[in-house]
Amino acid sequence: RKEVEQDPGPFNVPEGATVAFNCTYSNSASQSFFWYRQDCRKEPKLLMSVYSSGNEDGRFTAQLNRASQYISLLIRDSKLSDSATYLCVVNMSGYNKLIFGAGTRLAVHP
Amino acid sequence: DADVTQTPRNRITKTGKRIMLECSQTKGHDRMYWYRQDPGLGLRLIYYSFDVKDINKGEISDGYSVSRQAQAKFSLSLESAIPNQTALYFCATSDLEHSSYNEQFFGPGTRLTVL
Repeated sequence: RKEVEQDPGPFNVPEGATVAFNCTYSNSASQSFFWYRQDCRKEPKLLMSVYSSGNEDGRFTAQLNRASQYISLLIRDSKLSDSATYLCVVNMSGYNKLIFGAGTRLAVHP
Repeated sequence: DADVTQTPRNRITKTGKRIMLECSQTKGHDRMYWYRQDPGLGLRLIYYSFDVKDINKGEISDGYSVSRQAQAKFSLSLESAIPNQTALYFCATSDLEHSSYNEQFFGPGTRLTVL
């Protein structure tokens, strides 16, 4: 079983739609959680961290469910510029290494 | 100028050749990492270094070696390249001292093809 699992997609949505991505992680010792964004053939960049209480940054909302070992990312009012691959990332307790999911591809169309 | 740079950006080589990928950073970070990315597999950690002289194996270190020549430079070598090392390679940096959540900053990547 992969340590971090994501639906690869693609999710094809129209502009203005709300879309949600989910991610599960296998190690209950995981301590920190993130969503990174990767544009085609470019480097990953941090989109947002995920806190236990849930957090929001503009149109983006991230939530964490430690009991179910589940992370989510909600994008509201999708823009064409949101088209990218979204990587779920965890950092396990006691380690200084990030474990990356394979990513979920989002395509927003006019 | 980019904070994390990688050279070369693209490389095509033949089986058995020795290849070195270079990474430089101007962020002043202590920690540097090498990853490879393959379709459907996500990024996998090859080696990482928390300081000059500190080298640690990652998930998939076989067939690779690294050198941390200075705080700002971390190079990855393929001693004898093989076709299944064809991938997109990323260097990354982080500075845990100034970040409570270990954000990593990535270079633009090196696309390596081994024929």
